[in-house]
Amino acid sequence: EDKVVQSPLSLVVHEGDTVTLNCSYEVTNFRSLLWYKQEKKAPTFLFMLTSSGIEKKSGRLSSILDKKELFSILNITATQTGDSAVYLCVGRGSTLGRLYFGRGTQLTVWP
Amino acid sequence: DAGVTQSPTHLIKTRGQQVTLRCSPKSGHDTVSWYQQALGQGPQFIFQYYEEEERQRGNFPDRFSGHQFPNYSSELNVNALLLGDSALYLCASSLEWTNNNEQFFGPGTRLTVL
Repeated sequence: EDKVVQSPLSLVVHEGDTVTLNCSYEVTNFRSLLWYKQEKKAPTFLFMLTSSGIEKKSGRLSSILDKKELFSILNITATQTGDSAVYLCVGRGSTLGRLYFGRGTQLTVWP
Repeated sequence: DAGVTQSPTHLIKTRGQQVTLRCSPKSGHDTVSWYQQALGQGPQFIFQYYEEEERQRGNFPDRFSGHQFPNYSSELNVNALLLGDSALYLCASSLEWTNNNEQFFGPGTRLTVL
C-alpha cells in the first residue's frame, strides 16, 4: 500500500531556530516528492523533487530527496512566526497525477 | 488570473442528506482532482477527472460521485451523508494529468454533518 509518513507530527520552536521536517515514502512507480504548506485551507506549493541529492532552495527553506532511502527532508532556517503552518509531504506515483499525502507536521513558531 | 475556486466555503448538513460541492479550475487547467481532509489528517484522494471522465479513484464508496463539465469545472456529490463525512474537501487542478505537473489547490469547502 502506498504511504507517506512524516515526523514529527508536531513541533514547537522559537523564532530564529532551525527546524528539520522528515518524510519517508513508499509510492508505487514513484515520480516525484512534493512539499506543501497549509496555513488555513488551501495547501500552497513549496517544492517538487525528482532527483536524488539535488537540493532545492527557496529563501530560508530548502529540501532534498534521497531516492535510495526513500526519504526527504525540509529545512527551515531562522524561523519566523509566519512559518507557523502544517507542512505536508506528498508522493506522486506513475503518470496519473495522483498525490499521496502524509499527515503533515504542525509547526508552531513562538515569537 | 483566477486560481482554483470552490463553493460553498462552508456547509452544514444532517445525516442522510445529499450534498454537491463545486470547483472551478485555474485558468488553462483541464484536470481536476478531489481530496477529503479530515481534522488532523492529510488530504485523501477521492477521484480525478479529465476530459469529463473519471480517470482514477481512491478508496471511497460509491456514495461519492462526481462530474466534470465541458468548461473543466467539476462537482463532487456525496449521498446519504454520514457523520464521518465531515471534513474539508479540497479541489486541485492541473494541466494534463499525464504529466508531472504541479497541482494547484482551492480554498476548500468545510462540510459539517450533524
